[in-house]
Parts: sequence; structure tokens; C-alpha cells
Amino acid sequence: AQSVAQPEDQVNVAEGNPLTVKCTYSVSGNPYLFWYVQYPNRGLQFLLKYITGDNLVKGSYGFEAEFNKSQTSFHLKKPSALVSDSALYFCAVRDSLTGGGNKLTFGTGTQLKVEL
Amino acid sequence: KAGVTQTPRYLIKTRGQQVTLSCSPISGHRSVSWYQQTPGQGLQFLFEYFSETQRNKGNFPGRFSGRQFSNSRSEMNVSTLELGDSALYLCASSLSSVTGSSYEQYFGPGTRLTVT
Repeated sequence: AQSVAQPEDQVNVAEGNPLTVKCTYSVSGNPYLFWYVQYPNRGLQFLLKYITGDNLVKGSYGFEAEFNKSQTSFHLKKPSALVSDSALYFCAVRDSLTGGGNKLTFGTGTQLKVEL
Repeated sequence: KAGVTQTPRYLIKTRGQQVTLSCSPISGHRSVSWYQQTPGQGLQFLFEYFSETQRNKGNFPGRFSGRQFSNSRSEMNVSTLELGDSALYLCASSLSSVTGSSYEQYFGPGTRLTVT
């Protein structure tokens, strides 16, 4: 069965500093990996995805993620954090062996807090 | 393009009642998935519909059911409500094909269900 781990419940960073939100995964086939962000009382917003190709994926709002197959990781990064980036971030995986379908398995989420 | 819409946004029901939630996907999206979000269990996949057929199903009891109409709109029904069904129910739509999907899902704002 596929699974996703986000080892940090909360990450604190000062505005202007780089940020990293960690994610590791476990799947039986090739992974399709996603990052989503959730603001209070809102649904999830898509940030970026890795399907195949370059290990560094660029997404919305200046975010990027680095896929590392040997470490089964897909960490979310941003060179310079903004206070408005404060939100709940979810990593998700879809197993390519699932076949047709969109079943995503989510991590437990990481609360990012960016302070002035 | 209009985003994913969900109605109602908030709902209060009594234990033992049933409830129907509605989701309208982004125009052109044929896949609709439903997720339950709770503080204790996080984000959990309920089921996915594609071309009016249930394509994937999560580990939820039979009290949870859904359907999809020919215009891709979807409804989710929960019968005999329990206190533990209180949650944010999220609908997501995606471009998809019969054989698979590497497309991201776009989420609606959710329906907040409270069972008393």
C-alpha cells in the first residue's frame, strides 16, 4: 500500500529565509507526487507535481520541489518565505500501479508559520 | 473557468439522519473524487467517479455512497449519520482518461458537516 510521511507537524521560518517542508513516500510502482496548500476554512490548492523528468519541479507562488528517488523524498522548497505563505501543506502520492484513477494518499500535513 | 463548487457549504444534522452533498466539477473534467478531512484522521479518500462509474473506493462503510451524472456533477450521500461523520467533505475534479491519470486534482471549498 502506498503511504506518505510528513515528519514535521510544524515548521517555523523567518520571512525572507528559505523554507523546506519535508515529505517521504512509499509506493509499489513509479510515484506521481503532489503538493497542496490549505488556508483556513478553504479547500486544497494545487502547488506542483512530479510525474517524470527533471528532479526539480517548479510550481505556483515561487515554490519548487526536489524529487529524490534513492531517498524516496519529495521536499517542498522556497528560496524566500513570505508571511502570506503561512498555511497547512500536504504532500500526496498516487501510485502508478493503481491504474486508471485518481486516488491520492495524503500525508498528515505540515503547518508552516512564517514570522516577520 | 469557474472552479469546483460544492453545496451546501455548511450543514448541521442530527445523528441517524441522512445527508446529500453536491459537487459541480470544472467544465470538461470527467473525474470527480471525494475526500473526508478530520483533525484525527486527516485527509481520507472516499471514492472516485469517472464517466458515471465508480472507479475507486476507499475504506469507508457502506453508509457512504455517491453517484455521478451525465454532466459530471456528483453527489455524495451519507445515511444513518454518526457523530464521527462530522468532517469537512472535499470534492475534487480532474482531467482524466480511461487508462490513467497524471493530472492534478482541483478541490472545491468543501462542505462542513456537523452531526449532533
